[in-house]
Amino acid sequence: DAKTTQPNSMESNEEEPVHLPCNHSTISGTDYIHWYRQLPSQGPEYVIHGLTSNVNNRMASLAIAEDRKSSTLILHRATLRDAAVYYCILRPNPLNNYKLTFGKGTLLTVNP
Amino acid sequence: GAGVSQSPRYKVAKRGQDVALRCDPISGHVSLFWYQQALGQGPEFLTYFQNEAQLDKSGLPSDRFFAERPEGSVSTLKIQRTQQEDSAVYLCASSLAFGQLNSPLHFGNGTRLTVT
Repeated sequence: DAKTTQPNSMESNEEEPVHLPCNHSTISGTDYIHWYRQLPSQGPEYVIHGLTSNVNNRMASLAIAEDRKSSTLILHRATLRDAAVYYCILRPNPLNNYKLTFGKGTLLTVNP
Repeated sequence: GAGVSQSPRYKVAKRGQDVALRCDPISGHVSLFWYQQALGQGPEFLTYFQNEAQLDKSGLPSDRFFAERPEGSVSTLKIQRTQQEDSAVYLCASSLAFGQLNSPLHFGNGTRLTVT
């Protein structure tokens, strides 16, 4: 499986934007980029996914580099509730490879 | 709506005891996954079901671990003769359909197993 590299931790202030980077230099042309986050004492939660184009949803935005070797999850205004571990995961297509393989993720701390 | 439900939330077992962990997936979800998460690590894949069929059990760490989903809905993860290294959070996830492209996984809040 292609691997992702994320910083171990990042810090942000409440109500400021947060840019969480992810490197995936060995990504294949059919790999989708998925982001999940895990709040304390909870299971992971789906955030967003994309293939080539930038994506927006109610939770976040995903900016994908033109060569697809990196991506950035953008939280437009961080809140205390956004403090979590954020996982960047490559999900192969076709879906006969159904597993999500998690790394260690980025621990985001949000300061009030 | 109802999410993935796991029980018990916490389980303490003495070394050598058998334990059974239950997962109630979201109704209608075909795919069901079990993951193990050690402290400070990301979740690690254990096994995968499509309906009642266990299609992949490559992540089960030993033959003491057994999972079933007999009617294609509720699933049970059983650990026999528990060891201290089995202490972890066990997460269950379900997703709508195997063939639906990029169907997200919905996780429960896990069962925290402590083996003493």
